[in-house]
Amino acid sequence: GQQVMQIPQYQHVQEGEDFTTYCNSSTTLSNIQWYKQRPGGHPVFLIQLVKSGEVKKQKRLTFQFGEAKKNSSLHITATQTTDVGTYFCAGPVGTASKLTFGTGTRLQVTL
Amino acid sequence: DTGVSQDPRHKITKRGQNVTFRCDPISEHNRLYWYRQTLGQGPEFLTYFQNEAQLEKSRLLSDRFSAERPKGSFSTLEIQRTEQGDSAMYLCASSLGQGWTGELFFGEGSRLTVL
Repeated sequence: GQQVMQIPQYQHVQEGEDFTTYCNSSTTLSNIQWYKQRPGGHPVFLIQLVKSGEVKKQKRLTFQFGEAKKNSSLHITATQTTDVGTYFCAGPVGTASKLTFGTGTRLQVTL
Repeated sequence: DTGVSQDPRHKITKRGQNVTFRCDPISEHNRLYWYRQTLGQGPEFLTYFQNEAQLEKSRLLSDRFSAERPKGSFSTLEIQRTEQGDSAMYLCASSLGQGWTGELFFGEGSRLTVL
């Protein structure tokens, strides 16, 4: 069954509102990556988190890796229309050399 | 910019036909992955190569699917006797490194429609 789950599945926000997506794994992960896929596009790497409790920021995006290394979150402050897309977390479930992608959260931003 | 390239970008075929997709990874990348993505879902792992060796294949993958990376550079993914359920976007990705999987660089994908 699905080993990496994300919630919510879909979120629609007004531009300027904040957005958060949560990622949960059934197993402990050595690291977690986040990708963004624009409509009609391919996944593009955003960041990798490795340490327990790690927090990283990229401009308006804040990424966290849980203390138990089984969950992660991505928070976007003051969304813009350019943030539209589907956000996936991905981790090495089972073997270190392959990534299992989460179910994704689709973000829609309107003016 | 010599990123990951895939060919063809779109393929429409009739059920029962064979199809082949090609992926050219970033030249210095030793790892190459094939994923499949259907609408509204995350990419699903199919198989992975380190150089020319196919090190892992999804247990969910039918024996109608075969992949090669003969010289450790480009790769091909062949689907024999296609079925309507094979309709999906087939994504290729490459990465550099040993041990943990680092950043994956994806191609634009090959969209397969089986009629």
